[in-house]
Amino acid sequence: AQTVTQSQPEMSVQEAETVTLSCTYDTSENNYYLFWYKQPPSRQMILVIRQEAYKQQNATENRFSVNFQKAAKSFSLKISDSQLGDTAMYFCAFMKLAFGNEKLTFGTGTRLTIIP
Amino acid sequence: ETGVTQSPTHLIKTRGQQVTLRCSSQSGHNTVSWYQQALGQGPQFIFQYYREEENGRGNFPPRFSGLQFPNYSSELNVNALELDDSALYLCASSFPRLNTQYFGPGTRLTVL
Repeated sequence: AQTVTQSQPEMSVQEAETVTLSCTYDTSENNYYLFWYKQPPSRQMILVIRQEAYKQQNATENRFSVNFQKAAKSFSLKISDSQLGDTAMYFCAFMKLAFGNEKLTFGTGTRLTIIP
Repeated sequence: ETGVTQSPTHLIKTRGQQVTLRCSSQSGHNTVSWYQQALGQGPQFIFQYYREEENGRGNFPPRFSGLQFPNYSSELNVNALELDDSALYLCASSFPRLNTQYFGPGTRLTVL
């Protein structure tokens, strides 16, 4: 079974600064995907970024980028030029690459607050 | 917006009752997954439906059941509600090889 650990329950940062959220995972699988989802107070789980384990290049999406260290089983999210709208719960998630039963295993989340 | 919709938004039930939650998947998606998110926790996988068949199940008792319809919309049914069933229920849609799930806004269930 896979496990996902987010060791930072809460973080806060000043607007326009850079913040990094940590995530580690444990798996015996070799082919998998990793995700960061954002859940604002509206409750909707929004995909932030996705990383395929077979790709060595770190994924980026505008102000969001990841540092994927496969050997260390680490998957951190960096948010640059943080904005007030980035305030939310952030969940790291793992999915084994398989046809069918593609369930997501989530961490417990990090509550990020952007301070004006 | 992901195009995944859920109804109702909120629901209050009493212990022992039964509840049905509904989800409409994003256009073109034939797979629906359901998750339970207790307060302050990450979502937990309940089960997944692909082409109207259950396609994987998490560690939930049989009183949690589901359906998927020909238009790929889905229902989650919970019988004999318990206080611990109070949670946010999320559905997510996808299709095979997309390898990414898109979530609806959730249904908040309160069991009294």
